[in-house]
Amino acid sequence: EVHLVESGGGLVQPGGSLRLSCAASGFTFSNYAFHWVRQAPGKGLEYVSAIGSDGGSTFYADSVKGRFIISRDNSKNSLYLQMDNLRPEDTAVYYCASLDSSGPTVFDNWGQGTLVTVSS
Amino acid sequence: SYELTQPPSVSVSPGQTARITCSGDDLPKKYAYWYQQKSGQAPVLVIYEDTRRPSGIPERFSGSSSGTMATLTISGAQVEDEADYHCYSTYSSGTPVFGGGTKLTV
Repeated sequence: EVHLVESGGGLVQPGGSLRLSCAASGFTFSNYAFHWVRQAPGKGLEYVSAIGSDGGSTFYADSVKGRFIISRDNSKNSLYLQMDNLRPEDTAVYYCASLDSSGPTVFDNWGQGTLVTVSS
Repeated sequence: SYELTQPPSVSVSPGQTARITCSGDDLPKKYAYWYQQKSGQAPVLVIYEDTRRPSGIPERFSGSSSGTMATLTISGAQVEDEADYHCYSTYSSGTPVFGGGTKLTV
Protein backbone atom coordinates (compact mmCIF):
# COMPACT_ATOMS: atom_id res chain seq x y z
CA GLU A 1 0.00 0.00 0.00
CA VAL A 2 1.24 3.45 -0.93
CA HIS A 3 2.03 5.75 1.97
CA LEU A 4 3.17 9.36 1.87
CA VAL A 5 3.88 11.03 5.19
CA GLU A 6 4.79 14.70 5.39
CA SER A 7 6.60 16.27 8.32
CA GLY A 8 8.46 19.43 9.23
CA GLY A 9 5.63 21.93 9.38
CA GLY A 10 5.20 24.35 12.23
CA LEU A 11 5.10 27.99 13.28
CA VAL A 12 7.79 30.25 11.85
CA GLN A 13 8.29 34.00 11.81
CA PRO A 14 8.22 35.97 8.57
CA GLY A 15 11.60 35.73 6.89
CA GLY A 16 12.30 32.40 8.52
CA SER A 17 12.94 28.98 7.03
CA LEU A 18 11.50 25.49 7.23
CA ARG A 19 12.33 22.21 5.57
CA LEU A 20 9.45 19.88 4.79
CA SER A 21 9.97 16.18 4.27
CA CYS A 22 7.80 13.52 2.68
CA ALA A 23 8.57 9.88 3.43
CA ALA A 24 7.33 7.45 0.79
CA SER A 25 6.73 3.72 1.10
CA GLY A 26 4.89 0.89 -0.62
CA PHE A 27 6.15 1.56 -4.16
CA THR A 28 9.32 2.25 -6.15
CA PHE A 29 9.84 5.90 -5.28
CA SER A 30 12.54 6.49 -7.90
CA ASN A 31 10.12 5.71 -10.74
CA TYR A 32 7.93 8.76 -10.23
CA ALA A 33 8.01 12.52 -10.40
CA PHE A 34 6.70 14.18 -7.26
CA HIS A 35 4.93 17.38 -6.41
CA TRP A 36 4.17 19.78 -3.58
CA VAL A 37 0.69 21.31 -3.48
CA ARG A 38 -0.50 23.67 -0.76
CA GLN A 39 -3.83 24.86 0.56
CA ALA A 40 -4.21 28.05 2.55
CA PRO A 41 -6.87 27.95 5.30
CA GLY A 42 -10.32 27.98 3.72
CA LYS A 43 -8.89 28.32 0.21
CA GLY A 44 -8.37 26.16 -2.86
CA LEU A 45 -5.39 24.09 -3.89
CA GLU A 46 -2.27 25.80 -5.19
CA TYR A 47 0.44 24.01 -7.14
CA VAL A 48 3.85 24.77 -5.65
CA SER A 49 6.66 22.68 -7.09
CA ALA A 50 7.62 19.48 -8.90
CA ILE A 51 10.70 17.34 -9.37
CA GLY A 52 11.46 14.65 -11.92
CA SER A 53 11.99 11.04 -10.98
CA ASP A 54 15.79 11.37 -10.99
CA GLY A 55 15.81 14.89 -9.57
CA GLY A 56 17.18 16.28 -12.81
CA SER A 57 14.27 18.58 -13.56
CA THR A 58 12.37 20.92 -11.29
CA PHE A 59 9.48 23.35 -11.54
CA TYR A 60 8.37 26.17 -9.28
CA ALA A 61 5.26 28.31 -9.21
CA ASP A 62 6.02 32.01 -9.62
CA SER A 63 4.82 32.62 -6.05
CA VAL A 64 7.70 30.59 -4.57
CA LYS A 65 10.40 30.83 -7.22
CA GLY A 66 13.72 31.91 -5.73
CA ARG A 67 12.60 31.12 -2.17
CA PHE A 68 11.77 27.40 -2.22
CA ILE A 69 13.93 24.49 -3.34
CA ILE A 70 12.56 21.03 -4.06
CA SER A 71 14.82 18.01 -3.82
CA ARG A 72 14.67 14.26 -3.34
CA ASP A 73 16.82 11.41 -2.09
CA ASN A 74 15.83 8.25 -3.91
CA SER A 75 18.08 6.16 -1.64
CA LYS A 76 15.94 7.31 1.31
CA ASN A 77 12.58 7.33 -0.52
CA SER A 78 12.17 10.92 0.51
CA LEU A 79 11.02 14.22 -0.98
CA TYR A 80 11.95 17.60 0.48
CA LEU A 81 10.93 21.24 0.24
CA GLN A 82 13.35 23.82 1.61
CA MET A 83 11.39 27.01 2.24
CA ASP A 84 13.33 30.23 2.88
CA ASN A 85 12.29 33.84 3.33
CA LEU A 86 8.81 32.71 4.33
CA ARG A 87 5.91 35.13 4.08
CA PRO A 88 2.53 35.17 5.84
CA GLU A 89 0.90 34.22 2.52
CA ASP A 90 2.86 30.95 2.58
CA THR A 91 0.68 29.82 5.49
CA ALA A 92 -0.99 26.61 4.31
CA VAL A 93 -1.22 22.88 4.57
CA TYR A 94 1.49 21.43 2.33
CA TYR A 95 0.83 18.12 0.60
CA CYS A 96 3.24 15.90 -1.25
CA ALA A 97 1.61 14.08 -4.12
CA SER A 98 2.39 11.81 -7.06
CA LEU A 99 -0.18 13.08 -9.64
CA ASP A 100 0.72 10.49 -12.27
CA SER A 101 -2.37 9.24 -14.11
CA SER A 102 -2.40 8.49 -17.81
CA GLY A 103 -4.32 6.02 -19.95
CA PRO A 104 -5.02 2.86 -18.00
CA THR A 105 -2.54 3.73 -15.25
CA VAL A 106 -3.51 5.73 -12.21
CA PHE A 107 -0.85 6.65 -9.67
CA ASP A 108 -2.34 9.57 -7.84
CA ASN A 109 -1.47 9.63 -4.17
CA TRP A 110 -1.43 12.37 -1.53
CA GLY A 111 -0.05 12.56 1.95
CA GLN A 112 -2.10 13.84 4.88
CA GLY A 113 -0.39 17.22 4.73
CA THR A 114 1.69 19.28 7.14
CA LEU A 115 0.67 22.73 8.35
CA VAL A 116 3.01 25.66 7.93
CA THR A 117 2.09 28.85 9.76
CA VAL A 118 4.05 32.01 9.08
CA SER A 119 3.31 34.61 11.70
CA SER A 120 5.03 36.89 14.16
CA SER B 1 -1.55 34.30 -15.61
CA TYR B 2 -3.58 31.30 -16.71
CA GLU B 3 -6.63 30.50 -14.61
CA LEU B 4 -9.21 27.77 -14.30
CA THR B 5 -12.56 29.15 -13.26
CA GLN B 6 -15.06 27.18 -11.17
CA PRO B 7 -18.32 28.30 -9.54
CA PRO B 8 -17.82 28.80 -5.80
CA SER B 9 -20.76 26.62 -4.90
CA VAL B 10 -23.30 24.18 -6.30
CA SER B 11 -26.27 22.84 -4.39
CA VAL B 12 -28.54 19.90 -5.25
CA SER B 13 -31.01 17.68 -3.44
CA PRO B 14 -30.13 14.01 -2.89
CA GLY B 15 -30.77 11.99 -6.04
CA GLN B 16 -30.45 14.96 -8.35
CA THR B 17 -27.69 15.48 -10.88
CA ALA B 18 -24.90 17.84 -9.90
CA ARG B 19 -22.78 19.50 -12.55
CA ILE B 20 -19.61 21.38 -11.72
CA THR B 21 -17.86 23.32 -14.45
CA CYS B 22 -14.28 24.37 -14.99
CA SER B 23 -13.38 26.85 -17.71
CA GLY B 24 -9.96 27.63 -19.12
CA ASP B 25 -8.62 28.83 -22.42
CA ASP B 26 -6.25 25.90 -22.85
CA LEU B 27 -8.76 23.15 -22.00
CA PRO B 28 -9.32 22.39 -25.72
CA LYS B 29 -5.67 21.31 -25.79
CA LYS B 30 -5.09 19.99 -22.29
CA TYR B 31 -6.78 17.37 -20.12
CA ALA B 32 -8.82 18.20 -17.05
CA TYR B 33 -8.58 16.29 -13.80
CA TRP B 34 -11.06 16.41 -10.92
CA TYR B 35 -10.39 15.98 -7.22
CA GLN B 36 -12.86 15.48 -4.39
CA GLN B 37 -11.82 16.83 -1.01
CA LYS B 38 -13.87 16.18 2.07
CA SER B 39 -13.45 18.32 5.16
CA GLY B 40 -10.09 17.81 6.83
CA GLN B 41 -8.93 15.23 4.30
CA ALA B 42 -6.49 15.10 1.40
CA PRO B 43 -7.86 15.35 -2.14
CA VAL B 44 -8.93 12.19 -3.97
CA LEU B 45 -8.83 11.85 -7.76
CA VAL B 46 -12.30 11.13 -9.17
CA ILE B 47 -11.82 11.87 -12.89
CA TYR B 48 -8.66 12.09 -14.99
CA GLU B 49 -7.92 12.87 -18.64
CA ASP B 50 -11.32 14.55 -18.98
CA THR B 51 -13.44 11.39 -18.83
CA ARG B 52 -11.58 8.50 -17.19
CA ARG B 53 -12.67 7.25 -13.79
CA PRO B 54 -10.16 5.56 -11.44
CA SER B 55 -11.07 2.20 -10.04
CA GLY B 56 -13.03 2.46 -6.85
CA ILE B 57 -14.78 5.69 -7.84
CA PRO B 58 -18.55 5.20 -8.12
CA GLU B 59 -20.04 5.15 -11.62
CA ARG B 60 -22.22 8.13 -10.79
CA PHE B 61 -19.11 10.29 -11.26
CA SER B 62 -18.40 11.18 -14.88
CA GLY B 63 -16.46 13.83 -16.75
CA SER B 64 -16.72 15.58 -20.08
CA SER B 65 -14.98 18.37 -21.89
CA SER B 66 -16.06 20.58 -24.75
CA GLY B 67 -14.22 23.63 -25.98
CA THR B 68 -12.95 25.70 -23.09
CA MET B 69 -15.10 23.97 -20.46
CA ALA B 70 -14.73 20.73 -18.57
CA THR B 71 -17.63 19.38 -16.54
CA LEU B 72 -17.80 16.97 -13.62
CA THR B 73 -21.22 15.32 -13.40
CA ILE B 74 -22.50 13.42 -10.39
CA SER B 75 -25.62 11.54 -11.44
CA GLY B 76 -27.89 10.88 -8.49
CA ALA B 77 -25.77 12.79 -5.99
CA GLN B 78 -25.68 11.33 -2.50
CA VAL B 79 -25.16 13.00 0.84
CA GLU B 80 -21.70 11.47 1.06
CA ASP B 81 -20.71 13.31 -2.12
CA GLU B 82 -20.85 16.62 -0.27
CA ALA B 83 -17.32 17.98 -0.55
CA ASP B 84 -15.11 20.51 -2.28
CA TYR B 85 -14.27 19.67 -5.88
CA HIS B 86 -11.15 20.99 -7.57
CA CYS B 87 -10.30 20.91 -11.27
CA TYR B 88 -6.68 20.68 -12.38
CA SER B 89 -4.99 21.10 -15.71
CA THR B 90 -1.95 22.63 -17.32
CA TYR B 91 -1.18 25.59 -19.50
CA SER B 92 -0.15 24.84 -23.04
CA SER B 93 3.40 25.36 -21.75
CA GLY B 94 2.90 22.56 -19.25
CA THR B 95 2.59 24.76 -16.15
CA PRO B 96 0.14 23.11 -13.75
CA VAL B 97 -2.82 24.98 -12.29
CA PHE B 98 -5.80 24.26 -10.05
CA GLY B 99 -9.18 25.90 -10.22
CA GLY B 100 -10.50 27.78 -7.23
CA GLY B 101 -12.65 24.89 -6.05
CA THR B 102 -16.41 24.35 -5.83
CA LYS B 103 -18.27 23.50 -2.65
CA LEU B 104 -20.95 20.93 -3.41
CA THR B 105 -23.87 20.79 -0.99
CA VAL B 106 -26.17 17.79 -1.19
